[in-house]
Amino acid sequence: AQSVTQLDSHVSVSEGTPVLLRCNYSSSYSPSLFWYVQHPNKGLQLLLKYTSAATLVKGINGFEAEFKKSETSFHLTKPSAHMSDAAEYFCVVSALGGGQGNLIFGKGTKLSVKP
Amino acid sequence: NAGVTQTPKFQVLKTGQSMTLQCAQDMNHEYMSWYRQDPGMGLRLIHYSVGAGITDQGEVPNGYNVSRSTTEDFPLRLLSAAPSQTSVYFCASRETGTGELFFGEGSRLTVL
Repeated sequence: AQSVTQLDSHVSVSEGTPVLLRCNYSSSYSPSLFWYVQHPNKGLQLLLKYTSAATLVKGINGFEAEFKKSETSFHLTKPSAHMSDAAEYFCVVSALGGGQGNLIFGKGTKLSVKP
Repeated sequence: NAGVTQTPKFQVLKTGQSMTLQCAQDMNHEYMSWYRQDPGMGLRLIHYSVGAGITDQGEVPNGYNVSRSTTEDFPLRLLSAAPSQTSVYFCASRETGTGELFFGEGSRLTVL
Protein backbone atom coordinates (compact mmCIF):
# COMPACT_ATOMS: atom_id res chain seq x y z
CA ALA A 1 0.00 0.00 0.00
CA GLN A 2 1.10 3.54 -0.54
CA SER A 3 0.17 6.78 1.16
CA VAL A 4 1.38 10.33 1.47
CA THR A 5 1.07 12.72 4.41
CA GLN A 6 1.61 16.44 4.23
CA LEU A 7 2.38 17.42 7.77
CA ASP A 8 1.08 21.01 7.64
CA SER A 9 -2.21 22.12 6.16
CA HIS A 10 -1.13 25.78 6.25
CA VAL A 11 2.29 27.45 6.35
CA SER A 12 2.82 31.17 6.62
CA VAL A 13 6.17 32.87 5.95
CA SER A 14 7.42 36.39 5.37
CA GLU A 15 8.72 37.41 1.97
CA GLY A 16 12.45 36.74 1.72
CA THR A 17 12.49 34.01 4.39
CA PRO A 18 12.95 30.27 3.76
CA VAL A 19 10.10 27.94 2.90
CA LEU A 20 9.76 24.37 4.18
CA LEU A 21 6.77 22.23 3.22
CA ARG A 22 6.89 18.76 4.72
CA CYS A 23 5.87 15.48 3.10
CA ASN A 24 6.19 11.91 4.34
CA TYR A 25 5.33 8.91 2.24
CA SER A 26 4.74 5.21 2.59
CA SER A 27 5.29 2.80 -0.27
CA SER A 28 5.84 -0.93 -0.73
CA TYR A 29 7.88 -0.26 -3.86
CA SER A 30 10.53 2.22 -4.88
CA PRO A 31 8.41 5.33 -5.27
CA SER A 32 8.35 8.18 -7.70
CA LEU A 33 7.56 11.41 -5.90
CA PHE A 34 6.26 14.70 -7.19
CA TRP A 35 5.42 18.17 -5.96
CA TYR A 36 2.68 20.11 -7.73
CA VAL A 37 1.62 23.71 -7.21
CA GLN A 38 -1.88 25.11 -7.64
CA HIS A 39 -2.46 28.83 -7.86
CA PRO A 40 -5.98 30.10 -7.11
CA ASN A 41 -8.59 29.00 -9.65
CA LYS A 42 -5.98 27.19 -11.73
CA GLY A 43 -5.04 23.63 -12.51
CA LEU A 44 -2.01 21.94 -10.98
CA GLN A 45 1.48 22.43 -12.37
CA LEU A 46 4.51 20.21 -11.83
CA LEU A 47 7.21 21.78 -9.64
CA LEU A 48 9.65 18.87 -9.53
CA LYS A 49 9.89 15.09 -9.49
CA TYR A 50 12.05 12.32 -8.06
CA THR A 51 12.34 9.11 -10.07
CA SER A 52 15.30 7.28 -8.46
CA ALA A 53 18.07 9.40 -9.90
CA ALA A 54 19.71 12.14 -7.78
CA THR A 55 18.19 12.43 -4.31
CA LEU A 56 18.32 16.24 -4.38
CA VAL A 57 15.91 17.41 -7.02
CA LYS A 58 15.76 20.95 -8.36
CA GLY A 59 12.53 22.31 -9.76
CA ILE A 60 11.11 25.47 -11.21
CA ASN A 61 11.02 28.87 -9.49
CA GLY A 62 13.92 28.05 -7.14
CA PHE A 63 12.25 25.15 -5.35
CA GLU A 64 14.05 21.94 -4.49
CA ALA A 65 13.32 18.74 -2.59
CA GLU A 66 15.43 16.00 -1.08
CA PHE A 67 14.44 12.34 -1.14
CA LYS A 68 15.41 10.71 2.17
CA LYS A 69 14.66 7.01 2.11
CA SER A 70 15.64 6.44 5.75
CA GLU A 71 13.15 9.08 6.87
CA THR A 72 10.56 8.35 4.12
CA SER A 73 10.43 12.07 3.48
CA PHE A 74 10.39 14.37 0.47
CA HIS A 75 10.28 17.88 1.90
CA LEU A 76 10.02 20.90 -0.39
CA THR A 77 12.24 23.92 0.26
CA LYS A 78 13.04 27.32 -1.14
CA PRO A 79 15.71 29.65 0.28
CA SER A 80 13.74 32.87 -0.10
CA ALA A 81 9.97 33.17 -0.47
CA HIS A 82 8.40 35.49 -3.01
CA MET A 83 4.86 36.84 -2.95
CA SER A 84 4.12 34.88 -6.13
CA ASP A 85 4.82 31.61 -4.24
CA ALA A 86 1.53 31.94 -2.37
CA ALA A 87 -0.42 28.90 -3.54
CA GLU A 88 -1.38 25.39 -2.53
CA TYR A 89 1.23 22.65 -2.83
CA PHE A 90 0.59 18.94 -3.23
CA CYS A 91 2.98 16.07 -2.59
CA VAL A 92 2.23 13.04 -4.77
CA VAL A 93 3.51 9.45 -4.71
CA SER A 94 3.44 6.83 -7.42
CA ALA A 95 4.47 3.38 -6.26
CA LEU A 96 5.12 1.67 -9.56
CA GLY A 97 7.44 4.10 -11.23
CA GLY A 98 6.67 7.38 -12.89
CA GLY A 99 4.86 5.94 -15.88
CA GLN A 100 2.70 3.32 -14.26
CA GLY A 101 0.23 2.97 -11.48
CA ASN A 102 -2.02 5.56 -10.00
CA LEU A 103 -0.88 8.61 -8.16
CA ILE A 104 -1.82 9.30 -4.55
CA PHE A 105 -2.17 12.96 -3.60
CA GLY A 106 -1.52 14.48 -0.21
CA LYS A 107 -4.21 16.75 1.17
CA GLY A 108 -2.24 19.87 0.31
CA THR A 109 -0.37 22.62 2.12
CA LYS A 110 -1.51 26.19 1.63
CA LEU A 111 1.43 28.58 1.61
CA SER A 112 0.83 32.19 2.58
CA VAL A 113 3.54 34.80 2.03
CA LYS A 114 3.40 38.01 4.07
CA PRO A 115 4.97 41.22 2.74
CA ASN B 1 -0.11 24.57 -27.42
CA ALA B 2 -3.48 23.53 -25.93
CA GLY B 3 -2.45 20.66 -23.58
CA VAL B 4 -5.53 19.51 -21.63
CA THR B 5 -8.79 21.34 -22.29
CA GLN B 6 -11.85 21.01 -20.05
CA THR B 7 -15.33 22.35 -20.63
CA PRO B 8 -17.41 23.84 -19.17
CA LYS B 9 -15.51 25.89 -16.59
CA PHE B 10 -18.61 26.48 -14.50
CA GLN B 11 -21.93 24.65 -14.26
CA VAL B 12 -24.93 24.76 -11.95
CA LEU B 13 -27.25 21.75 -11.88
CA LYS B 14 -30.38 20.79 -10.04
CA THR B 15 -30.51 17.52 -8.13
CA GLY B 16 -31.30 14.66 -10.50
CA GLN B 17 -30.09 16.36 -13.67
CA SER B 18 -27.44 14.76 -15.84
CA MET B 19 -24.49 16.34 -17.58
CA THR B 20 -21.15 15.59 -19.19
CA LEU B 21 -17.83 17.24 -18.45
CA GLN B 22 -15.64 17.22 -21.53
CA CYS B 23 -11.89 16.66 -21.54
CA ALA B 24 -9.54 16.64 -24.52
CA GLN B 25 -5.76 16.42 -24.77
CA ASP B 26 -3.50 16.91 -27.76
CA MET B 27 -0.30 15.30 -26.41
CA ASN B 28 -1.10 11.73 -27.51
CA HIS B 29 -1.01 10.50 -23.91
CA GLU B 30 -2.42 7.05 -23.32
CA TYR B 31 -3.28 7.66 -19.65
CA MET B 32 -6.07 10.04 -18.73
CA SER B 33 -7.88 10.55 -15.46
CA TRP B 34 -10.54 12.52 -13.63
CA TYR B 35 -10.15 13.91 -10.12
CA ARG B 36 -12.38 15.82 -7.81
CA GLN B 37 -11.01 18.39 -5.41
CA ASP B 38 -12.78 19.25 -2.18
CA PRO B 39 -11.50 21.52 0.62
CA GLY B 40 -9.08 19.70 2.90
CA MET B 41 -9.33 16.47 0.89
CA GLY B 42 -6.66 16.93 -1.76
CA LEU B 43 -7.42 15.37 -5.13
CA ARG B 44 -9.31 12.10 -5.27
CA LEU B 45 -9.28 9.86 -8.32
CA ILE B 46 -12.72 9.19 -9.84
CA HIS B 47 -11.96 7.16 -12.98
CA TYR B 48 -8.98 6.62 -15.19
CA SER B 49 -8.11 5.16 -18.57
CA VAL B 50 -4.86 3.61 -19.80
CA GLY B 51 -5.87 3.79 -23.46
CA ALA B 52 -8.76 3.93 -25.90
CA GLY B 53 -11.44 1.42 -24.96
CA ILE B 54 -10.04 0.82 -21.45
CA THR B 55 -11.37 2.47 -18.31
CA ASP B 56 -11.27 1.64 -14.62
CA GLN B 57 -12.54 2.97 -11.31
CA GLY B 58 -10.55 5.10 -8.95
CA GLU B 59 -11.14 5.93 -5.31
CA VAL B 60 -14.55 7.64 -5.62
CA PRO B 61 -16.33 6.31 -8.75
CA ASN B 62 -19.93 6.17 -7.53
CA GLY B 63 -22.31 8.41 -9.45
CA TYR B 64 -19.93 8.89 -12.39
CA ASN B 65 -19.45 7.15 -15.72
CA VAL B 66 -16.64 7.46 -18.27
CA SER B 67 -15.80 6.17 -21.72
CA ARG B 68 -12.71 6.42 -23.90
CA SER B 69 -13.49 6.01 -27.57
CA THR B 70 -10.42 7.96 -28.75
CA THR B 71 -6.98 8.72 -27.35
CA GLU B 72 -7.81 12.43 -27.25
CA ASP B 73 -11.14 12.51 -25.40
CA PHE B 74 -12.21 11.33 -21.95
CA PRO B 75 -15.65 12.64 -20.95
CA LEU B 76 -17.05 12.32 -17.43
CA ARG B 77 -20.80 11.78 -17.07
CA LEU B 78 -22.94 12.51 -14.06
CA LEU B 79 -26.09 10.43 -14.50
CA SER B 80 -28.21 11.91 -11.70
CA ALA B 81 -26.50 14.79 -9.96
CA ALA B 82 -26.51 14.98 -6.16
CA PRO B 83 -25.46 17.86 -3.86
CA SER B 84 -22.54 15.68 -2.70
CA GLN B 85 -21.10 16.01 -6.21
CA THR B 86 -20.62 19.75 -5.78
CA SER B 87 -16.88 20.05 -6.33
CA VAL B 88 -14.12 21.17 -8.64
CA TYR B 89 -13.28 18.55 -11.23
CA PHE B 90 -9.90 18.18 -12.91
CA CYS B 91 -9.00 16.15 -15.93
CA ALA B 92 -5.39 15.12 -16.36
CA SER B 93 -3.30 13.20 -18.84
CA ARG B 94 0.02 11.59 -18.04
CA GLU B 95 3.25 11.29 -19.95
CA THR B 96 4.26 7.63 -19.92
CA GLY B 97 8.02 8.03 -19.58
CA THR B 98 8.23 10.66 -16.84
CA GLY B 99 4.90 10.10 -15.11
CA GLU B 100 4.21 13.83 -15.16
CA LEU B 101 0.53 14.75 -15.01
CA PHE B 102 -0.80 17.60 -17.15
CA PHE B 103 -3.97 19.16 -15.77
CA GLY B 104 -6.83 21.06 -17.25
CA GLU B 105 -7.91 24.28 -15.56
CA GLY B 106 -10.83 22.65 -13.81
CA SER B 107 -14.62 22.61 -13.95
CA ARG B 108 -16.49 24.04 -10.99
CA LEU B 109 -19.79 22.20 -10.52
CA THR B 110 -22.55 23.20 -8.12
CA VAL B 111 -25.52 20.90 -7.54
CA LEU B 112 -28.51 22.52 -5.86
